[in-house]
Amino acid sequence: GQNIDQPTEMTATEGAIVQINCTYQTSGFNGLFWYQQHAGEAPTFLSYNVLDGLEEKGRFSSFLSRSKGYSYLLLKELQMKDSASYLCAVRLSGGSYIPTFGRGTSLIVHP
Amino acid sequence: ETGVTQTPRHLVMGMTNKKSLKCEQHLGHNAMYWYKQSAKKPLELMFVYSLEERVENNSVPSRFSPECPNSSHLFLHLHTLQPEDSALYLCASSQETNGVADTQYFGPGTRLTVL
Repeated sequence: GQNIDQPTEMTATEGAIVQINCTYQTSGFNGLFWYQQHAGEAPTFLSYNVLDGLEEKGRFSSFLSRSKGYSYLLLKELQMKDSASYLCAVRLSGGSYIPTFGRGTSLIVHP
Repeated sequence: ETGVTQTPRHLVMGMTNKKSLKCEQHLGHNAMYWYKQSAKKPLELMFVYSLEERVENNSVPSRFSPECPNSSHLFLHLHTLQPEDSALYLCASSQETNGVADTQYFGPGTRLTVL
């Protein structure tokens, strides 16, 4: 079966940097997504990685290592509004093309 | 605003009721999805429609019945639900090309409570 693992909850301080990890064991790989979901709202797309390396988008960066089955989302200069759930989703190669989601990491940013 | 709307946002129903959830996407996408989101669990894919045809049904009980009348609208008809069906139901859409789905865009969800 497919397995996608993320920490359940993390806390961090406003202004700091936090790294949210995602590891996966899947049969095939065709890209990894990160989504942000505030309580009671829609998950919104943050990033997509299909090749190894770091993709930077403003305060958010996402890293992928396909050989290690590992990704992380890096959030810099944390703001209170970054308190949300962060969902990692892996798209498999062949068969179903629809991403499989992890349980999500609930990030709490405190002053 | 993600371009995907869902109504109602909240729904409370008894086990004998029949209700429907509605989803509409304004993004010109050709694929739509229903997901179930329960606390502490991953998003569970329920149904997929591609070009208005159902292409995937992940062993969902028959008390959930999807309908896709056109590429912009998706319904989930609910009948004789159980309390364990209480969850957030999310709709999503994406553009599919040659069998591969691009980034999914989600609606805000319907919070369903079954009494």
